[in-house]
Amino acid sequence: QVQLVESGGGVVQPGRSLRLSCVASGFTFSGHAIHWVRQAPGKGLEWVALISSTGSNKYYAAPVKGRFTISRDNSQNTLYLQMNSLREDDTAMYYCARVGWFGPRKFFDSWGQGTLVTVSS
Amino acid sequence: DIQMTQSPSSLSASVGDRVTITCRASQNIDIYLNWYQQRPGRAPKLLIYAASSLPSGVPSRFSGSGSGTDFTLTVSSLQPEDFATYYCQQSYITPYTFGQGTRLEIK
Repeated sequence: QVQLVESGGGVVQPGRSLRLSCVASGFTFSGHAIHWVRQAPGKGLEWVALISSTGSNKYYAAPVKGRFTISRDNSQNTLYLQMNSLREDDTAMYYCARVGWFGPRKFFDSWGQGTLVTVSS
Repeated sequence: DIQMTQSPSSLSASVGDRVTITCRASQNIDIYLNWYQQRPGRAPKLLIYAASSLPSGVPSRFSGSGSGTDFTLTVSSLQPEDFATYYCQQSYITPYTFGQGTRLEIK
């Protein structure tokens, strides 16, 4: 079955870096765009970034643009999120989510369990 | 960015009740509207896509409707496992913005 497993979260000081990973299985990873979505403690869902199936197109939310980099290794079925210059308001559970589609309409049809990032001094 | 506004922010209801949650987009998004359910401590789960389509495995008591800017999610007869938080999301254009969520609680 489709599975997405995130890792790499932890406690980090403001200004430092962290790299998250999302390992996929159960489907053709190279055939799907993948997104990162985060959720601050007790808050709603916030879209973070997306990468196309080939990795050639990437988009970022305004709060993370210039600090975060999304990438993927289709040979390893793995998605990454490099997070630099971390701030306390980046504290959140980070989810990777697979894109499904119905014609041109897209949706997140599978989610990982999340990895928690805490930015604190 | 397209703003998504859900109402109400929270809702108390009883098992067996029919409930409706609304979602309004700040511009026309056709039917590029999805709904997700999130139970406490769990990842979100796709509930409705393209405004009114149910993924395989989602109970038929859930339904969605709407197009353009106004959308609704209806649960025809609440079950205990339906008490959760619900989010709408537009996938018309990046960033794929979410509504602020509607918390459905047991009365």
